[in-house]
Amino acid sequence: KNEVEQSPQNLTAQEGEFITINCSYSVGISALHWLQQHPGGGIVSLFMLSSGKKKHGRLIATINIQEKHSSLHITASHPRDSAVYICAVNYGGSQGNLIFGKGTKLSVKP
Amino acid sequence: GAVVSQHPSWVICKSGTSVKIECRSLDFQATTMFWYRQFPKQSLMLMATSNEGSKATYEQGVEKDKFLINHASLTLSTLTVTSAHPEDSSFYICSAFLSGSSYEQYFGPGTRLTVT
Repeated sequence: KNEVEQSPQNLTAQEGEFITINCSYSVGISALHWLQQHPGGGIVSLFMLSSGKKKHGRLIATINIQEKHSSLHITASHPRDSAVYICAVNYGGSQGNLIFGKGTKLSVKP
Repeated sequence: GAVVSQHPSWVICKSGTSVKIECRSLDFQATTMFWYRQFPKQSLMLMATSNEGSKATYEQGVEKDKFLINHASLTLSTLTVTSAHPEDSSFYICSAFLSGSSYEQYFGPGTRLTVT
């Protein structure tokens, strides 16, 4: 069974803290996505990775293919970063069939 | 970046009626769009893959006669929930696959459906 596990499930941080969210998957993948879902439900694509590391502003995403693990880091966290962060993977050749993790609910306190 | 819109953003309907949800890629062409469903406190689940000009491909357990998908143009896919029941109440999200790219999907803001 192809699974995507995220940790932690819930995370509370103080403004300014460095945050790490982890994602592990069970078999080889074609690509891994990090998504952000705000309380209203809308989803924003943050990163798509197949190897290495990507950075966008205060967000950094890394992936280790051998260990089947990815991390999303947020530097200098801010209350507006409060959201659910979702890891999703493409297995095999199916481009659309994403398997989603259950998400990590992040709350950043001022 | 590429933008995907959905309409309506929320809808309340009575049991037995049908509801149509639109998904549009605003600034790019999408030969493939995907429809997902998210129940409260659960992960998103793929419902179907919508291909322009052909029949949609449904995931196991999704009733194709209940969830009608039409992808008539390169920028528009519609999902019609027919004879809606309260258990169809959910958050429906579409994504559009950027033609020519590898695995790059852009998500719509979602539609919250409540069936009373």
